[in-house]
Amino acid sequence: GAVVSQHPSWVICKSGTSVKIECRSLDFQATTMFWYRQFPKQSLMLMATSNEGSKATYEQGVEKDKFLINHASLTLSTLTVTSAHPEDSSFYICSARDGGSTDYGYTFGSGTRLTVV
Amino acid sequence: KQEVTQIPAALSVPEGENLVLNCSFTDSAIYNLQWFRQDPGKGLTSLLLIQSSQREQTSGRLNASLDKSSGRSTLYIAASQPGDSATYLCAVSGNQFYFGTGTSLTVIP
Repeated sequence: GAVVSQHPSWVICKSGTSVKIECRSLDFQATTMFWYRQFPKQSLMLMATSNEGSKATYEQGVEKDKFLINHASLTLSTLTVTSAHPEDSSFYICSARDGGSTDYGYTFGSGTRLTVV
Repeated sequence: KQEVTQIPAALSVPEGENLVLNCSFTDSAIYNLQWFRQDPGKGLTSLLLIQSSQREQTSGRLNASLDKSSGRSTLYIAASQPGDSATYLCAVSGNQFYFGTGTSLTVIP
């Protein structure tokens, strides 16, 4: 089945630094990938939709200059948290859908636990 | 905007019990509905996917139903085991993916 690889699985960074998270579709092409954030004891919230070769679409309340998304190829999307602050500490998950699939199912990465100290 | 709600928020049952998790959504214009499992600090594992044209899907001890017209889905877990302890999320797929609030399940040995 479709596999999405997400790295790193966890990262600790100092306040003010930037962190890059990668999301790769391993055995399919994904023109669209999605980035979610999950705070403790809350459900996943969509942050942005990443479109290959064009600008990402951000959800209301998500700062596009802080959360930089690059989708340079059909198999890779990256999320960079710039000038990270402790309140950015969260669980970030990406997902993608195999455009060749007929079931419209989404596959998720294993997530990245970001801790900003 | 689509809203997805799950009831109960938390559930604790003794091992061996059958249980039902509920999911409701406000907009019936969906492509499909998925049930996921999330272990603490981990990513998501897809359990079952029900297409909008389908009524139910089964996998092992899991059975999920979908009533699109009423905006409801249930996940039935038979003969629960301690290893089933996790948070269960339902999500509906339209133009984007909308997650429910989750049900935290604890199965007591």
